[in-house]
Amino acid sequence: QQPVQSPQAVILREGEDAVINCSSSKALYSVHWYRQKHGEAPVFLMILLKGGEQKGHEKISASFNEKKQQSSLYLTASQLSYSGTYFCGTEGVHRGSTLGRLYFGRGTQLTVWP
Amino acid sequence: DGGITQSPKYLFRKEGQNVTLSCEQNLNHDAMYWYRQDPGQGLRLIYYSQIVNDFQKGDIAEGYSVSREKKESFPLTVTSAQKNPTAFYLCASKEEPGLNQPQHFGDGTRLSIL
Repeated sequence: QQPVQSPQAVILREGEDAVINCSSSKALYSVHWYRQKHGEAPVFLMILLKGGEQKGHEKISASFNEKKQQSSLYLTASQLSYSGTYFCGTEGVHRGSTLGRLYFGRGTQLTVWP
Repeated sequence: DGGITQSPKYLFRKEGQNVTLSCEQNLNHDAMYWYRQDPGQGLRLIYYSQIVNDFQKGDIAEGYSVSREKKESFPLTVTSAQKNPTAFYLCASKEEPGLNQPQHFGDGTRLSIL
């Protein structure tokens, strides 16, 4: 039930754009996105709900395609502070899933160079 | 300030020894979680608790034990049965046990074998 993230790693120059994808084989209620700096705690970025709209925060936004069970995180005009590992977490609707727990992907390591 | 406090930050375990990782939150959150993080593996759920005096196994519970005697506390014991305990351990909480709630993480405990 672990979602699949792609790509595994991205290297960017400051100001460039990136897209990180999260795909599940199961039907989803929601998708959560987190960013983790090395050695630190993951920080919540945003949650995409079933039936909800695309969300955004400054130059970071995300979409959720319920039919395809996929979510994408868009980082526009990346800044040095965007560097870190991005994780998606999914909440499922399928039989056998436990309400309220998240299944996390393996992460996408984003490096932004000046 | 409200938050999640994990202690200690670094912990060393001798062979055959049990060690306990502390997790305390003053957010008045109902649900609490323990994750293990290994390089390239993402976050894997060890145990979770949706309410005081109740907890459930996650995906990798073998060799670990927990208790939830108080709402604010969710300690994790790594027993000698856990043969490969070296990892970064993260505690998280969320306000309610149901869907669509973000999880908030502590700063983690890094456990190593002596």
